[in-house]
Amino acid sequence: NAGVTQTPKFQVLKTGQSMTLQCAQDMNHEYMSWYRQDPGMGLRLIHYSVGAGITDQGEVPNGYNVSRSTTEDFPLRLLSAAPSQTSVYFCASSYGANEQFFGPGTRLTVL
Amino acid sequence: AQKVTQAQTEISVVEKEDVTLDCVYETRDTTYYLFWYKQPPSGELVFLIRRNSFDEQNEISGRYSWNFQKSTSSFNFTITASQVVDSAVYFCALRDLNTGTASKLTFGTGTRLQVTL
Repeated sequence: NAGVTQTPKFQVLKTGQSMTLQCAQDMNHEYMSWYRQDPGMGLRLIHYSVGAGITDQGEVPNGYNVSRSTTEDFPLRLLSAAPSQTSVYFCASSYGANEQFFGPGTRLTVL
Repeated sequence: AQKVTQAQTEISVVEKEDVTLDCVYETRDTTYYLFWYKQPPSGELVFLIRRNSFDEQNEISGRYSWNFQKSTSSFNFTITASQVVDSAVYFCALRDLNTGTASKLTFGTGTRLQVTL
């Protein structure tokens, strides 16, 4: 099992550019989520999904879109990158409300 | 609303010392899970333990132990005989169970533990 995988590991964008962070899991977990981690703020939930075709907003959803067409994949889209979106992004999945397993993270810098 | 407080921002100890990381939580839910995660300098998040709100038994795993006290809404984590490899940021987290599969995980801001020789 690869667990939760994320690509890319690093990304630099210019303000206004768009991009998609990829996330995939092979554990057949229904629940998937995206977090951002900023210094001194812990991890904050951006969006989450409880199954294919079902997504909902978390604590900090503005500027991000998600979709869930399959159980395995949960991409995160930045529509028009802003410097405030410079962060480390983690994707996670879980079986129901059990412990979440995290991907290795994507370090994003927006200039 | 749920909240997790880790008041200790940073702790420094010398190897072989015992250290306790504090976690205090707030929730109106009657059933919930509590978690601890470790984030070593390499950056990944490693799951350490899950505790059900109905189970207040303390747990020990090697040098790690957890003390869950519902009366004080605390879920503290103790490392006995700390080692340099324990140096990491540790996160406490809370997940309610009343919203079923839509439950969200709320993290504390983390405690950075530095273990030196």
